[in-house]
Amino acid sequence: QKEVEQNSGPLSVPEGAIASLNCTYSDRGSQSFFWYRQYSGKSPELIMFIYSNGDKEDGRFTAQLNKASQYVSLLIRDSQPSDSATYLCAALSGYSTLTFGKGTMLLVSP
Amino acid sequence: EAGVVQSPRYKIIEKKQPVAFWCNPISGHNTLYWYLQNLGQGPELLIRYENEEAVDDSQLPKDRFSAERLKGVDSTLKIQPAELGDSAVYLCASSSGGTDTQYFGPGTRLTVL
Repeated sequence: QKEVEQNSGPLSVPEGAIASLNCTYSDRGSQSFFWYRQYSGKSPELIMFIYSNGDKEDGRFTAQLNKASQYVSLLIRDSQPSDSATYLCAALSGYSTLTFGKGTMLLVSP
Repeated sequence: EAGVVQSPRYKIIEKKQPVAFWCNPISGHNTLYWYLQNLGQGPELLIRYENEEAVDDSQLPKDRFSAERLKGVDSTLKIQPAELGDSAVYLCASSSGGTDTQYFGPGTRLTVL
């Protein structure tokens, strides 16, 4: 069974700090990995995706992928209270099959 | 560009009643997904369509759930009869297919009393 594991949190960080969100996956055949942000009562919205080992940066966000360790992370620099949300990690395998983790709740305090 | 549209946004029904959800994907997106999201969980795939063909419905409880995507554009997900455990958010997503990004609609929050 394909699984994506995330710490449910909450992860609490002060405003301006770096938030580090982690995710592991079980299916070595997974090709791409996605980070979605979900505010309470809202639907998931894509932050970024990564498919190659290493780092990928987009503004304040950096995704990191280590396929050997089956590990994906998302770093949020200069965290803002508006970043407070649940962050969902998802792994894509097969053809269009996304497996989501349960999400990590991030709380950024002013 | 308009996003994925879903209706209704909220639905409250009594158990054993039928309910239907509607989704209109992003224009040009051939792949459409229905997900179920319980509180504190990530979305779980119910069914995936490629155009009008259901290519992955392995997680759809076929005894009470059905779906259709006539003409390969909008889609309807139906539950009949609804059970208390069906209370959840039903999300529709669409993509251009393959490894392309899936974009989610606002969801329908179902409460079964």
